[in-house]
Order: sequence, then C-alpha cells, then structure tokens
Amino acid sequence: AQKVTQAQTEISVVEKEDVTLDCVYETRDTTYYLFWYKQPPSGELVFLIRRNSFDEQNEISGRYSWNFQKSTSSFNFTITASQVVDSAVYFCALSGPPMDSNYQLIWGAGTKLIIKP
Amino acid sequence: ETGVTQTPRHLVMGMTNKKSLKCEQHLGHNAMYWYKQSAKKPLELMFVYNFKEQTENNSVPSRFSPECPNSSHLFLHLHTLQPEDSALYLCASSQELADNTEAFFGQGTRLTVV
Repeated sequence: AQKVTQAQTEISVVEKEDVTLDCVYETRDTTYYLFWYKQPPSGELVFLIRRNSFDEQNEISGRYSWNFQKSTSSFNFTITASQVVDSAVYFCALSGPPMDSNYQLIWGAGTKLIIKP
Repeated sequence: ETGVTQTPRHLVMGMTNKKSLKCEQHLGHNAMYWYKQSAKKPLELMFVYNFKEQTENNSVPSRFSPECPNSSHLFLHLHTLQPEDSALYLCASSQELADNTEAFFGQGTRLTVV
C-alpha cells in the first residue's frame, strides 16, 4: 500500500531561521513520483516540485532545497533563511507509475509552518 | 493566480438546500478534479474527469453530483448535505490524466453546512 507520512503537524520558527519539513513515504512501485505543494492562507495549493524515483539528485531552487533519499524513503524539504511569506501548510504527495490505472496522488496530512517576524 | 477559478469562495447552506460549486480553468488542460479538504485530514480525491468523461468516483455519497459540460468547466452539485460535509472543496486541473504531472489548484470553496 502507498502512504505518505508528515510527522510534523506544526512547526514554528523565527524569521531567518532554516527549517526542514519531513516527508516519509511507502510504496512497492519501483517507478513513482514525489511532490511538494504549498497551501498559503488564500487556499490554493501551489506546486513546488516533482521528483521521479530514478533521480536522487538533490534540488535547490533559491531558498528552497529538497533532499531525496531512497534508502530511508524520505523526501525532505528545507527552507533556508525563512521569511514570513513562507508561512503556509506544506503537503508532500506520492503517485505511482505513469499510465498506471491507480494514478491517484497519495497526500500527506500536511505540515503547518509558522514563520514569526 | 493559478489559472483555476472557483466560485463561490464561501458558502453556507442548510441541510435541505441545493447549491452548486463552479470551477473554471483557462489552461487548456484535459483533466479536472474535485478534492475535499477537511481539518486535520489528508486531501480526499472525490471525482476525476478526463476529456469531459468521469473516470473516477471515490465512493462519494450521491448527495454530491459532479458535472463537466466541457473541458474548461466543472461543477459540483450539492443537495441534502450533512454537517460533516463542511470542508474546503478544491478544484484542480492538469494537462494529462496522470498524477505525475503538475496539478493547478483553485482557491477552493469553504462550505459550511448548518
């Protein structure tokens, strides 16, 4: 069975601190995709990144970075020098192989990130 | 602005009312989705449409009735809802019907059933 666990329900840090959001997944597929989405107070989920299972190279995009480790089934997300605008709920998600009949995204419960000024 | 627009943003309805949620996307996407987001629960996929055809109904109660008249519009018709149906209802679209592609979400309709 597929499952995504975001153990941190809520994290609160002071602005400019670095913060890491954890994501642990379970799947029996050898081909799969991992995602991170951000949900600001306005409600819409905003796509941040997609990573396929064959690409373990870490990704950096500005202050955001992602650490994908298949050995620990983790896909953690780090924000460097956090800003108040980073305050949001962050979701990690997993999907199976493309063209698989079971194509649904499996979502984690989300981590609420609060950045204090 | 994600290109997916949902109306209304907020809705309060009684259990005997009939209302509809609307979703519109101008991205030229072929797949559209309805999700339910309840407090402290993972997102729940409700319905999936691909090229206007419903391809998925995740055991959603019949008091929720989707409609997809064309690839750009998606509706969720509501009737005789229960208080536990109160939630944020999110619409999303993607270029293809496969969750390895990026999905674009609307801002959601905050529904309160009284």
